[in-house]
Amino acid sequence: NAGVTQTPKFRILKIGQSMTLQCTQDMNHNYMYWYRQDPGMGLKLIYYSVGAGITDKGEVPNGYNVSRSTTEDFPLRLELAAPSQTSVYFCASSFSPRNYGYTFGSGTRLTVV
Amino acid sequence: AQTVTQSQPEMSVQEAETVTLSCTYDTSESDYYLFWYKQPPSRQMILVIRQEAYKQQNATENRFSVNFQKAAKSFSLKISDSQLGDAAMYFCARLDTGTASKLTFGTGTRLQVTL
Repeated sequence: NAGVTQTPKFRILKIGQSMTLQCTQDMNHNYMYWYRQDPGMGLKLIYYSVGAGITDKGEVPNGYNVSRSTTEDFPLRLELAAPSQTSVYFCASSFSPRNYGYTFGSGTRLTVV
Repeated sequence: AQTVTQSQPEMSVQEAETVTLSCTYDTSESDYYLFWYKQPPSRQMILVIRQEAYKQQNATENRFSVNFQKAAKSFSLKISDSQLGDAAMYFCARLDTGTASKLTFGTGTRLQVTL
């Protein structure tokens, strides 16, 4: 059972480039989330999805986009990368958040230079 | 914004001793859930313990227990018999029970365990 898989683990982008952070889970979870973690700031919610075809903005969505065409996959797209998007990005999923919390991926460290 | 506050950026404990990490939160809901997550240097987020707001009994998981004070909106984590492997960042989080079931995190407490 692979859980939540994020790729890549590390990436360096130049300002203005675009990329997609991949997230897939094999647990048939409906709930999926993207967070960013900045030093001393905890985790901030970027986007979330409560099922295939349904997405919505979190606390810090500017500069990002998501899609959820399948239950398994929840990619995060960065358009026109900026230094402020340098962060560690976590994908998470859950079957029942109130009962089990979230299962997190191992994160992607992104640096924009 | 409804916040989660961890006022201790860093804590230190000797091996085999007990340490308590503090957390306070803000919410207007009556039904919510609280969590503590551990993040070791590997970066992986690991669920430590969960508390249901409507239950008065404090949650316990082996050496980890909470002191949940609903009226004070306080949710502290006690680690007993501390081990070197407990060294990590610890995040307190509140789950809102709306459709999205979003977790709001505190800023974390870095725990050092010394010999």
